[in-house]
Parts: sequence; C-alpha cells; structure tokens
Amino acid sequence: AQSVTQLGSHVSVSEGALVLLRCNYSSSVPPYLFWYVQYPNQGLQLLLKYTSAATLVKGINGFEAEFKKSETSFHLTKPSAHMSDAAEYFCAVSETLPDKLIFGTGTRLQVFP
Amino acid sequence: GAGVSQSPSNKVTEKGKDVELRCDPISGHTALYWYRQSLGQGLEFLIYFQGNSAPDKSGLPSDRFSAERTGGSVSTLTIQRTQQEDSAVYLCASSLGAGETQYFGPGTRLLVL
Repeated sequence: AQSVTQLGSHVSVSEGALVLLRCNYSSSVPPYLFWYVQYPNQGLQLLLKYTSAATLVKGINGFEAEFKKSETSFHLTKPSAHMSDAAEYFCAVSETLPDKLIFGTGTRLQVFP
Repeated sequence: GAGVSQSPSNKVTEKGKDVELRCDPISGHTALYWYRQSLGQGLEFLIYFQGNSAPDKSGLPSDRFSAERTGGSVSTLTIQRTQQEDSAVYLCASSLGAGETQYFGPGTRLLVL
C-alpha cells in the first residue's frame, strides 16, 4: 500500500535560511509525488509534482524537490526562506488511476525574522 | 468562477442531525474528489467521481456517509446522524481528468456538538 512519511511536524527557520522539508514514500510502482501548501484558513495549493519526467522538479515560489528512488525520498527545499513561506506543507503520493492522493501528516513551517 | 467553491464555509450541527456539504468544481473538470482533514487522522481521501459515477468510494468511513454528483458538475456530500468524530474540514478537489492536477477548494469546517 502507498504511504507517505513526513519527518518533523514543525520546522523553524530564520528568514533567508535554507528550507528543507523531508518526505519519504512507500510505493510498489513508480509513484506520482506532490507537495501542497496550505495557508491558514485556505485550501491546498499545489507547489510542484513529480511524474517521472525529471528527477529535479521546480515549483512555484522558488521551491524545488528532488526525487531519489534509491532513498524513496522527495524532499522539498528552498534556498532562502521568506516570511510569506510560513504555512503547512503536505507531501502526497499517488500511484493508481483514479489518482486519489495519499497525504503525509504535514509539516508546519515557521519563519522568524 | 476561477476556482473550486464549497458551501457552507462553516457548519455547526448537533449530534444526530444530517448535514449536506456542497462542492462546485472548476468548469470543465470531469474528475471530483472529496477529502477530510481532521486533527486525529490528517488528510484522508473519501470518494472520487469521474463524471457522475463514483468508481472509488473506498475512503468513506461508514454507511452514514454518501455523496452524489449530478450533471457532471456539482457534488453533495451527505453525512447522516452526525457524530462528534465527524468534526473536520471537508475538502473538495477537481481536475480535468484522472491523472491531472487536483485543485482544492477552501473547505467546509464542520463542527458536531
């Protein structure tokens, strides 16, 4: 069965510092992988997705993620955090059609000035 | 209408009452998904529609939960005889079709007293 593990329910960084949010997945077939962001009292917004085209995926707002099959990981990074990046981030996997998303438990990112 | 809309945005009900939650997908999107976000369970898939049919209902937690979609557009999620554990944010998403990016609505926050 598919599953996603997000290490660290809370991550705090200083403005301008590197952001690293960790995601490991379990899938019996090559998966589709996603990162979504949720701002307070808002719905989920897609940051980026991996669908086997390229292992390094660039998304919106300067975020990127690298698919590493050997490590079953899809970590999200951003070189320099901004205050507006404070939100909750969800990693998700989908391997079957219809493509229901299986979500991780989320990581809340705090950015300090 | 640019995005997925959901109504009501908030719903407070008494245990044992029935509730109906509505989702208006993005125009032209044939696939529609319901998810639930709760403190204890995180983000969970409930049901998927392709057109008016629901090929995947595997996430519905009990027979008190049902959903329908009419005209390939609006969907209603109904919870009968609500219980306190049904309290959660119910999220709807739509996509152009299976395998396409899912766009989420702002959710309906349900509180069962």
